[in-house]
Amino acid sequence: GAVVSQHPSRVICKSGTSVKIECRSLDFQATTMFWYRQFPKQSLMLMATSNEGSKATYEQGVEKDKFLINHASLTLSTLTVTSAHPEDSSFYICSASTGIGYGYTFGSGTRLTVV
Amino acid sequence: GNSVTQMEGPVTLSEEAFLTINCTYTATGYPSLFWYVQYPGEGLQLLLKATKADDKGSNKGFEATYRKETTSFHLEKGSVQVSDSAVYFCALSDKNGSGAGSYQLTFGKGTKLSVIP
Repeated sequence: GAVVSQHPSRVICKSGTSVKIECRSLDFQATTMFWYRQFPKQSLMLMATSNEGSKATYEQGVEKDKFLINHASLTLSTLTVTSAHPEDSSFYICSASTGIGYGYTFGSGTRLTVV
Repeated sequence: GNSVTQMEGPVTLSEEAFLTINCTYTATGYPSLFWYVQYPGEGLQLLLKATKADDKGSNKGFEATYRKETTSFHLEKGSVQVSDSAVYFCALSDKNGSGAGSYQLTFGKGTKLSVIP
């Protein structure tokens, strides 16, 4: 079946530094990838939608200059948290779709801790 | 806009008990409905889905029926196991705008299930 690999699974960084999270579709081409943020004991909040080769579409309230998304190929999307601060600490999850509508595969998530 | 409402947890059950997690939705179109499961420290896994009214999704002993008349998609399992302990999310997918990437998922807040031996 479809597999999405997300790395790293955990990362601890110092305040002010940038962190890159990768999301790869291993055995299918992902025309669309979604990035979510999950706060403790809460649901997933969609941050942005990216289509291969075009700029990401950010949800209202998400700072696009802080959360840089690149979807340069059909198998790779990256989320870079720039100048990270403790309030950016969260669980980030990516999801890939073939674009047909019903096929979503989630990555295993990245636990980001900013100290 | 679209929304999903599911029962708040946490839900604690003894092993072999019957499980129901309620889920209702609001959507402008004809959405597909999903249940996802999240085990501790992991991402989401698709548990089951239904794409049209009266469809029943099933997997690993879990079932949910797409009820258009009551806009519901309740999750049930006849006999839960300790290994079913996880957070369960109800979600819908509806077309939002145009283009191939327009099918976005809207999630409920999740229900934490704990099954004790």
